[in-house]
Amino acid sequence: GAVVSQHPSWVICKSGTSVKIECRSLDFQATTMFWYRQFPKQSLMLMATSNEGSKATYEQGVEKDKFLINHASLTLSTLTVTSAHPEDSSFYICSARPSILAGGYEQYFGPGTRLTVT
Amino acid sequence: DAKTTQPPSMDCAEGRAANLPCNHSTISGNEYVYWYRQIHSQGPQYIIHGLKNNETNEMASLIITEDRKSSTLILPHATLRDTAVYYCIVRVEDYGQNFVFGPGTRLSVLP
Repeated sequence: GAVVSQHPSWVICKSGTSVKIECRSLDFQATTMFWYRQFPKQSLMLMATSNEGSKATYEQGVEKDKFLINHASLTLSTLTVTSAHPEDSSFYICSARPSILAGGYEQYFGPGTRLTVT
Repeated sequence: DAKTTQPPSMDCAEGRAANLPCNHSTISGNEYVYWYRQIHSQGPQYIIHGLKNNETNEMASLIITEDRKSSTLILPHATLRDTAVYYCIVRVEDYGQNFVFGPGTRLSVLP
């Protein structure tokens, strides 16, 4: 099956710093990638949808200037949490969807990145 | 909002079948039923999906009622490694459709 990786798997950063999380589709080209956030004991919440080569679409309530998303290639999307605060501590999960020509109805999820802001 | 209703938690004895129900009474004719699971601190894992016929794969079986208003995911011989949160999601198989996760069912497989 299609594989999506995330790096790092966990990160600890100090309040006020920025941290970048990478999401890669390893064996397919992903025209669309999604970023989710999951707080403890809660479900996944979609943060934003990014299409390769264009600006990301953010869900209501998600600050686009705080969560910078770049999808510069068909296999890589990055999420940068800028000026992180402890309330940004969460589990961040990406998913990737193949191109429509490849029958891209499915989404393949990455293993997640645990962010802790101290 | 999620279009499905699932019990918040269930227990199952190891080696027994785990039957996880899902209600989707407002499902549309072109919406598929998907099941994913999430083991602690991991990303969601695809299990199975179907439209109206029952489906089976190496992981599980999916039984969809004739009126399609509910379904059951069956893990035939649950193991401790099946302990996870199970999500039932209905979704049109359309490129523009995302997956919307509800709270799911926390399945605990007990030794």
